[in-house]
Amino acid sequence: QSVLTQPPSLSAAPGQKVTISCSGSSSNIGKYDVSWYQQVPGTAPKLLIYENTKRPSGIPDRFSGSKSGTSATLGITGLQTGDEADYYCGTWDSGLSAWVFGGGTKLTVL
Amino acid sequence: QVQLVESGGGVVQPGGSLRLSCAASGFTFNNHGMHWVRQPPGKGLEWVAFIRNDGSNTYYADSVKGRFTVSRDNSKNTLFLQMSNLGVEDTAVYYCAKNVGGKYISSFDYWGQGTLVTVSS
Repeated sequence: QSVLTQPPSLSAAPGQKVTISCSGSSSNIGKYDVSWYQQVPGTAPKLLIYENTKRPSGIPDRFSGSKSGTSATLGITGLQTGDEADYYCGTWDSGLSAWVFGGGTKLTVL
Repeated sequence: QVQLVESGGGVVQPGGSLRLSCAASGFTFNNHGMHWVRQPPGKGLEWVAFIRNDGSNTYYADSVKGRFTVSRDNSKNTLFLQMSNLGVEDTAVYYCAKNVGGKYISSFDYWGQGTLVTVSS
């Protein structure tokens, strides 16, 4: 069981908007910044969002991040078929003294 | 451009050892902490270890503590993961990843392509 809880799967139609939640606790999300990663099957993960809300260069503004209390959210607007992937949140956990990832959310664009 | 290239994966028997390497280029290696992250087949990401930019501190997941050792050679821009007493549960693709900062764990902005470690008799 992951310390960070994400929905296992989500689906939405092209052009729609989707949000992926990441729920944690006071020892992780409540204290530290959250980052989000996209992993297209068969490839390495890619950084999408860091420090809760910031996008690396090259990441379109269709992707956004937010954090409130012990939860974080990844938003994707204008869904494209190329957005089909697994999405992971991650942060440091002071209780475990370890970095933790959420269990991942499989996004299907149909 | 940033490149991270892992090597050293393969098939090893339970109880055996293996050493992974990650050759880095395209950035100032000794300015950045580095991670190992693994992914068992069909499963999610699991953080394994972190080493600070100067090698002064290391951190490990409980699942590998005492069995795995992360190290680096800043003169050769190379990261290592020495794995011992391997079990079937260690079977995974192992990725090296670059930390955004030097000393403190933040986010992972570049990842290698991964190397597969299979523990099987």
